[in-house]
Amino acid sequence: NAGVTQTPKFQVLKTGQSMTLQCAQDMNHEYMSWYRQDPGMGLRLIHYSVGAGITDQGEVPNGYNVSRSTTEDFPLRLLSAAPSQTSVYFCASKQGFYSNQPQHFGDGTRLSIL
Amino acid sequence: AQTVTQSQPEMSVQEAETVTLSCTYDTSESDYYLFWYKQPPSRQMILVIRQEAYKQQNATENRFSVNFQKAAKSFSLKISDSQLGDAAMYFCAYKGSNYQLIWGAGTKLIIKP
Repeated sequence: NAGVTQTPKFQVLKTGQSMTLQCAQDMNHEYMSWYRQDPGMGLRLIHYSVGAGITDQGEVPNGYNVSRSTTEDFPLRLLSAAPSQTSVYFCASKQGFYSNQPQHFGDGTRLSIL
Repeated sequence: AQTVTQSQPEMSVQEAETVTLSCTYDTSESDYYLFWYKQPPSRQMILVIRQEAYKQQNATENRFSVNFQKAAKSFSLKISDSQLGDAAMYFCAYKGSNYQLIWGAGTKLIIKP
């Protein structure tokens, strides 16, 4: 069982380029989320989704777009990459928004913006 | 707004000894969850232990246990018989009524052989 799968694991971009970080889960979880992790700081929530077709902003949404066309997939898009978006990105999922079960995390994507 | 503070950026312990990682949080809520996650160099986030605020009994998972002091808003993690595989970043996290996780900045745990 794969759990939460993130691709790619590493990526280097130039300022102004766009890209999509992929996230897929095979646990039929309704809730999915994206975090960024920066040195000396805890994870910060970028966007989340409580089900297919529903997304909402987290703590640091600026510069990022998301969509949720299926239960399984929750891609994160950077439309015009900036050096401030250099970070490690984690996708996570859990059964439902109100579930008290812990989230399952992907292995992360290390993104560098030059 | 709730906050989570981990005041120890780095801790080190001799293999087989016991170490305690500190976490404090600020909230006005009475019902919430607290978590400790481990992040080894592989980057994967692994749940270590969780505590429900309404439970007075401290959670325990094998060599990992917590000291939950609700009045003091403290949630420390004790690792007994430390092993080399315990070396990682440890994150404390809070989940309250909005069901979103609020994370501490993390503590890097070094195990000395």
